[in-house]
Amino acid sequence: GAVVSQHPSWVICKSGTSVKIECRSLDFQATTMFWYRQFPKQSLMLMATSNEGSKATYEQGVEKDKFLINHASLTLSTLTVTSAHPEDSSFYICSARYSGSGSYNEQFFGPGTRLTVL
Amino acid sequence: KQEVTQIPAALSVPEGENLVLNCSFTDSAIYNLQWFRQDPGKGLTSLLLIQSSQREQTSGRLNASLDKSSGRSTLYIAASQPGDSATYLCAVRGGGGADGLTFGKGTHLIIQP
Repeated sequence: GAVVSQHPSWVICKSGTSVKIECRSLDFQATTMFWYRQFPKQSLMLMATSNEGSKATYEQGVEKDKFLINHASLTLSTLTVTSAHPEDSSFYICSARYSGSGSYNEQFFGPGTRLTVL
Repeated sequence: KQEVTQIPAALSVPEGENLVLNCSFTDSAIYNLQWFRQDPGKGLTSLLLIQSSQREQTSGRLNASLDKSSGRSTLYIAASQPGDSATYLCAVRGGGGADGLTFGKGTHLIIQP
């Protein structure tokens, strides 16, 4: 149980285009989902926290108008990178937190999406 | 602001050795601490989660300890195997209501056959 999927697993796009990444909790309901970014040889950095049915909370330095997050259901959150630029090339990983009891609020991570902007 | 440091940054040992990975964090007011494994180009696999009230957790050949007051955690791997080769990440969840995890940069582990 506690499986999180991401789609696509990798994407290449041209500069100036927008890219949507999906994060799904496959076998549990997640009231909260998180989006992280990882640059080469760096650690994961939290970008935003997304709660189902409400606006996402962005970390300092993350542009909310550039990284649009939608969490419309308990099993799906999407991250849209708008007007992508080469510096947005990174590994994007989502996680989902089980909303039930007895889980110690553990976060379960997706396999990540490799974005390359040409 | 919470900062997480992992030492060493890289480690290469022969198969069969027992080894210890270290993690330290600057703000001891944490909710929990988690150890992950990341294979190249892949996502994260959760290994162990320790609540702030706990001292250690064990899973198979892995044992993680937590000393919250000193801001330290260790991950002990017994009888290492080549399949253990990966990057090991330590992450803490803040105790002040912050939901997201703060990660260290990881320890890149190579187990030589």
